[in-house]
Amino acid sequence: DTEVTQTPKHLVMGMTNKKSLKCEQHMGHRAMYWYKQKAKKPPELMFVYSYEKLSINESVPSRFSPECPNSSLLNLHLHALQPEDSALYLCASSQDLTSLDYEQYFGPGTRLTVT
Amino acid sequence: AQSVTQLDSQVPVFEEAPVELRCNYSSSVSVYLFWYVQYPNQGLQLLLKYLSGSTLVESINGFEAEFNKSQTSFHLRKPSVHISDTAEYFCAVSFHYNQGGKLIFGQGTELSVKP
Repeated sequence: DTEVTQTPKHLVMGMTNKKSLKCEQHMGHRAMYWYKQKAKKPPELMFVYSYEKLSINESVPSRFSPECPNSSLLNLHLHALQPEDSALYLCASSQDLTSLDYEQYFGPGTRLTVT
Repeated sequence: AQSVTQLDSQVPVFEEAPVELRCNYSSSVSVYLFWYVQYPNQGLQLLLKYLSGSTLVESINGFEAEFNKSQTSFHLRKPSVHISDTAEYFCAVSFHYNQGGKLIFGQGTELSVKP
């Protein structure tokens, strides 16, 4: 199984809502990532978890709150978002952060629209 | 600092024509090189990668890329494209960053194959 799954596929939320994005992988990977991708742009790294601990936070606003409950799951909690946060949110995983092969496997993404 | 430059933002070609998508990188340390493809409304899929060894790497669907250290390039080629190759292509480099690895993406090249 080389699949990363993400739910929901689409999400529309108001600026006062609280919602969560979910990501799951069963490849035994110990590194997991959240990216944000705007239209016609490359993915921008937001967070990296390594062995369920937050390893990298790319100065993301606190209205985005990541959580890694176990080695297979990664959540992104959303609160008080702004319209400019509308984007495709991609989850990815890789074997770990120290192996030579940094291949990342990406999920299909959640298309988020903030109204 | 590491960076990736994709020289063409859009490449229109006719079906069965050859294509080359250009990628140059800048780095003061050893890097690993990747090409990812993103079909409309989907996540990223790894197309091919260079870690070490032979400088010519191939994918299962006819793409190939050649690592050229002296020119710091990793151009992607296909001798005969299909309509189904229409997608966004991202070149990426991976290098040691803080506790592990980080992917830096180029801005992407939109390949449009016309009948």
